[in-house]
Amino acid sequence: KNQVEQSPQSLIILEGKNCTLQCNYTVSPFSNLRWYKQDTGRGPVSLTIMTFSENTKSNGRYTATLDADTKQSSLHITASQLSDSASYICVVSGWDTNKYGGSQGNLIFGKGTKLSVKP
Amino acid sequence: EPEVTQTPSHQVTQMGQEVILRCVPISNHLYFYWYRQILGQKVEFLVSFYNNEISEKSEIFDDQFSVERPDGSNFTLKIRSTKLEDSAMYFCASSELRPPPTGELFFGEGSRLTVL
Repeated sequence: KNQVEQSPQSLIILEGKNCTLQCNYTVSPFSNLRWYKQDTGRGPVSLTIMTFSENTKSNGRYTATLDADTKQSSLHITASQLSDSASYICVVSGWDTNKYGGSQGNLIFGKGTKLSVKP
Repeated sequence: EPEVTQTPSHQVTQMGQEVILRCVPISNHLYFYWYRQILGQKVEFLVSFYNNEISEKSEIFDDQFSVERPDGSNFTLKIRSTKLEDSAMYFCASSELRPPPTGELFFGEGSRLTVL
């Protein structure tokens, strides 16, 4: 079954510190992996998208890594700020066989890691 | 910067009532989606829409749900007879390309539905 597991479930760090969030997936066949930031009560906002051939991608203080062999990804946040407090969601794109026997694309969402940055 | 807009931001309704949630996708996008997120749980796919018809739907999207693009700009989700378990945040999303494999998905801010 296609699944995306994230750890830790929640994390508290002090402002200015770095942190790393983990994502393991069993989605196959794999298409791409996305990290989203979701502020409380708001819609998810894309941080990065990586295909299987990309190992690392950065977006400002956010750096995502992908190991397609071990099916693991991480999101590293450098020099955290109070505004980084949010849920970080790992989303994996894959393909499924639909009830008609054809393939359809899908996005499998993780439950997210809730990050709290304290002053 | 173009964005997906949703209305209302919050709706409270009585069980059994019909609810319509509205979305205005980004103007040049071709693919439209509804997702929901029950409080404290993960985002779940409901339905995708392309070329004026449903292209995919999940098991959650049963007969009480329907979607429509009535006028070329709005994209609506109708819940015919709401149940308590329909209480959730509903997100509209749009994409220029079909994700997967590579289309970027842009989410709206969500409509919070509370069913009493």
